[in-house]
Amino acid sequence: SAVISQKPSRDICQRGTSLTIQCQVDSQVTMMFWYRQQPGQSLTLIATANQGSEATYESGFVIDKFPISRPNLTFSTLTVSNMSPEDSSIYLCSVDATEAFFGQGTRLTVV
Amino acid sequence: AQTVTQSQPEMSVQEAETVTLSCTYDTSESDYYLFWYKQPPSRQMILVIRQEAYKQQNATENRFSVNFQKAAKSFSLKISDSQLGDAAMYFCAYRRPTNFGNEKLTFGTGTRLTIIP
Repeated sequence: SAVISQKPSRDICQRGTSLTIQCQVDSQVTMMFWYRQQPGQSLTLIATANQGSEATYESGFVIDKFPISRPNLTFSTLTVSNMSPEDSSIYLCSVDATEAFFGQGTRLTVV
Repeated sequence: AQTVTQSQPEMSVQEAETVTLSCTYDTSESDYYLFWYKQPPSRQMILVIRQEAYKQQNATENRFSVNFQKAAKSFSLKISDSQLGDAAMYFCAYRRPTNFGNEKLTFGTGTRLTIIP
């Protein structure tokens, strides 16, 4: 199993600013995944982060808007840049072993 | 591309009764994994049950069991003896096999389950 610590748990941000979300895992993992869950919606993958290489983004998500860092095998950050109210969502990080484990999620509200 | 469909946006069940949540999926793969996740208001995604496609036997975890019909690409979740703590969003998810934890999950749209006391 894996224990994932994600922070902040929630934040309210002004439009035009950026927020960095951190995800710490208690064991080394190859891949880390970042998902977005818009209000009342399902989870959509933003990108997959592999240590030592650039993240792989899903269609509709770009690096300039959602830069990701993966400095080592236990840590990753997702930045939501130049935020607008449409970015208000829950953001979750995840790692996968025999099953996917999730962080507690970050509830972001952009005003 | 794989897709996962949950046709029941909302379900309700009387406490102590049994409820079944539906899920269908589409894939051309022969080997894969299916999951049911529970998301209470706390936002935490909690694994309820997992099924490996190559196993014919339906997975069971205490009050939770699945009816896996591979030919029909159906994967329903049965919750027996429903409890108030079962109230949550339930997501069905699909994943290809992975040796290195490098495969993403594809989620359905979710079913909101309400437990009536």
